[in-house]
Amino acid sequence: KAGVTQTPRYLIKTRGQQVTLSCSPISGHRSVSWYQQTPGQGLQFLFEYFSETQRNKGNFPGRFSGRQFSNSRSEMNVSTLELGDSALYLCASSLGLPLNNEQFFGPGTRLTVL
Amino acid sequence: QQPVQSPQAVILREGEDAVINCSSSKALYSVHWYRQKHGEAPVFLMILLKGGEQKGHEKISASFNEKKQQSSLYLTASQLSYSGTYFCGTAPPLSAGGTSYGKLTFGQGTILTVHP
Repeated sequence: KAGVTQTPRYLIKTRGQQVTLSCSPISGHRSVSWYQQTPGQGLQFLFEYFSETQRNKGNFPGRFSGRQFSNSRSEMNVSTLELGDSALYLCASSLGLPLNNEQFFGPGTRLTVL
Repeated sequence: QQPVQSPQAVILREGEDAVINCSSSKALYSVHWYRQKHGEAPVFLMILLKGGEQKGHEKISASFNEKKQQSSLYLTASQLSYSGTYFCGTAPPLSAGGTSYGKLTFGQGTILTVHP
């Protein structure tokens, strides 16, 4: 069974630009969560989607948005990029609610904002 | 609220034991443990649920004290492969509702280094 895939793996953008990251969950998994990982802040929860609906959202500004498609693939978008958005963005999928199911993480997208 | 992990870092020799703690200021429904090796994605270790159920597929043991809102991960007879950053994640009870419902919040991580 294929694991969680994320594209692109690396991205370099400049301040003010926008970016879209993609995540394909494990086949059969309907829950997709997104996390931002930085050395100083650890793993920060961004949002979680299930069956195309956003069920939870973390404490991030509205510049961070996401969506999930009918095939469970998910995208997250960051508009008006800031230097502080430089981070590893991880996507994780699970069969059901993340709070009581194992999450499988993708390799992440390393975003650098110049 | 982000759970607090301790210690922040620990260095071991192969074969030694270690305990990593995770503490929350709020009531918990579940505690999750993940390990992340440098340059890799976090990998699931265990879930401990309110009521005593545990789910995991590695030979690592953990405890969950629901009253104290604390969990501990026990690494015994450590191996070189145990090196990495350990994260605990906590989820509030379903009854918490509101913006906390279903949300998994991770701690800052504990860096474990095992030397030969």
